[in-house]
Amino acid sequence: DTEVTQTPKHLVMGMTNKKSLKCEQHMGHRAMYWYKQKAKKPPELMFVYSYEKLSINESVPSRFSPECPNSSLLNLHLHALQPEDSALYLCASSQGGGANYGYTFGSGTRLTVV
Amino acid sequence: AQTVTQSQPEMSVQEAETVTLSCTYDTSENNYYLFWYKQPPSRQMILVIRQEAYKQQNATENRFSVNFQKAAKSFSLKISDSQLGDTAMYFCAFMKHSPGTYKYIFGTGTRLKVLA
Repeated sequence: DTEVTQTPKHLVMGMTNKKSLKCEQHMGHRAMYWYKQKAKKPPELMFVYSYEKLSINESVPSRFSPECPNSSLLNLHLHALQPEDSALYLCASSQGGGANYGYTFGSGTRLTVV
Repeated sequence: AQTVTQSQPEMSVQEAETVTLSCTYDTSENNYYLFWYKQPPSRQMILVIRQEAYKQQNATENRFSVNFQKAAKSFSLKISDSQLGDTAMYFCAFMKHSPGTYKYIFGTGTRLKVLA
């Protein structure tokens, strides 16, 4: 299995809703990432988990809450989002100890906040 | 701080022809990694090619090759025999060589359209 699987593919949520994005990989990668990407822009790093511990938080607002239940799963819990949070949310993974061999990305969740 | 510059926001090429996408970067690091990622309309970013800065030999993956000029801090991507499926956004990325480094610096991207 050489894939990163993200669900759902599309999500529309109101500003008072709570929802979660899910990411799963079975490649034995020990680092997992959340990126946010606006249209026609490069992805922006949000969080990095390394060996199931949060190692990087790029000053992301607390309305985004990551969780890594085990080495194969990564969640992003969303609460009280703003319309400007509408974006493509990409999950990625890499071998442990760094990303020098490159990321494997999922195909993303297109989030619309109304 | 490192920066990555892609000076061509959009490019087009005829099918079966060759196209070169440019990328320059700025760093004081001596050891680092460079990457090209492709993001087609399907949204998934795919690693195209990877270069280790301490290797002088340019990386090649099938129709994709790079021209890595370390002194000039240039890392261009050449696509030979362009195919319609090469239509995508291409991002150049830099990562310093340090244990436990996870963060890339991405360029702003080049949108490539392959014309039939």
